[in-house]
Amino acid sequence: GAVVSQHPSWVICKSGTSVKIECRSLDFQATTMFWYRQFPKQSLMLMATSNEGSKATYEQGVEKDKFLINHASLTLSTLTVTSAHPEDSSFYICSARAGEQFFGPGTRLTVL
Amino acid sequence: LAKTTQPISMDSYEGQEVNITCSHNNIATNDYITWYQQFPSQGPRFIIQGYKTKVTNEVASLFIPADRKSSTLSLPRVSLSDTAVYYCLVGATSGGSYIPTFGRGTSLIVHP
Repeated sequence: GAVVSQHPSWVICKSGTSVKIECRSLDFQATTMFWYRQFPKQSLMLMATSNEGSKATYEQGVEKDKFLINHASLTLSTLTVTSAHPEDSSFYICSARAGEQFFGPGTRLTVL
Repeated sequence: LAKTTQPISMDSYEGQEVNITCSHNNIATNDYITWYQQFPSQGPRFIIQGYKTKVTNEVASLFIPADRKSSTLSLPRVSLSDTAVYYCLVGATSGGSYIPTFGRGTSLIVHP
């Protein structure tokens, strides 16, 4: 089946720094990708819909200036957590559709 | 978007058949039902998808009654490695409007 990759798989950063997470569709093109955040023992929460060549659509309560999404090509979407704080520590997952939805392996962000 | 309701948790033993039911009372005509499996610190993995009646693949079966207001994921002869969280999602898989939204999921624990 189709493969979605994420990089890095984990990252630790200091409070106040920015972190970029990449999501790639490896063998298919995706005009739309989705970004989720998952806290321990909770479900995936949709953060935003990333659209190639246009602005992302953010879910209510998600700060677009803090979570910058760039979908510059049909195979790459990036999520930048700006001025990260400890409460941003979470598991971030992206997905893309190739017939069915495929999910990336996730990125564990820890903000100290 | 059709809201889904699942049991929060289930327990089983190795070798038993496990059935997880999902309610989706306001499912739309174009909506498909998709089940995912998620292990800790991993992205969700596609298990099975169906529209009506019964679908079977190498890992599971999906039973959907005629009114489509519920669905049941059946896992035959579970093993310890089937311990995971299982999510059912409902939505139209074609067209650009489908946004995969997760409910709370069912945490399945398989005991020796």
